[in-house]
Amino acid sequence: DADVTQTPRNRITKTGKRIMLECSQTKGHDRMYWYRQDPGLGLRLIYYSFDVKDINKGEISDGYSVSRQAQAKFSLSLESAIPNQTALYFCATSDSGGGYGYTFGSGTRLTIV
Amino acid sequence: AQSVTQPDIHITVSEGASLELRCNYSYGATPYLFWYVQSPGQGLQLLLKYFSGDTLVQGIKGFEAEFKRSQSSFNLRKPSVHWSDAAEYFCAVGGDDKIIFGKGTRLHILP
Repeated sequence: DADVTQTPRNRITKTGKRIMLECSQTKGHDRMYWYRQDPGLGLRLIYYSFDVKDINKGEISDGYSVSRQAQAKFSLSLESAIPNQTALYFCATSDSGGGYGYTFGSGTRLTIV
Repeated sequence: AQSVTQPDIHITVSEGASLELRCNYSYGATPYLFWYVQSPGQGLQLLLKYFSGDTLVQGIKGFEAEFKRSQSSFNLRKPSVHWSDAAEYFCAVGGDDKIIFGKGTRLHILP
């Protein structure tokens, strides 16, 4: 099993729908992150969490919300999806202390039509 | 403000040739520095990282990178590329809280 698992792998949904992307990890890491990747823009941070009670906005949090249900689970929600949220979404984890780098999931390709 | 610049969007090299991918950053203190690789349809894999010590770091798959504080650079190198190195490469910098990524350099390999 993968260390960081994202579900679903692919999703097509309609404008205005609510959608949740899920991430779970077996690394035992405290920190979890959500990024979106768009061609030519690299990865941009949406939200991050240092523990269950600590949630922080990233650079592009508008239109998104998150929930840290447990140390191992971190969900990203789009309350009312819009087409410009079509992107590849990655969850990542890290141990305390950023110098160790991140472990990434395989990504969720989300298309809003 | 913190930022990462990868000046080259695309680079093409011949198989067996040497490679250097450039990365420049802006950060308030000595940052943690990373290079990640993303193969088509895949997630990101950590190639190497620097956070202290020797400024020349070795990574997986024969890659190395050199931290040059005076130039705010962390360029990735490989002496001889293989066709399997074709991928997108991301430089990243950060501290204890979060990492920011460059926009990536897509590497193409000519046979």
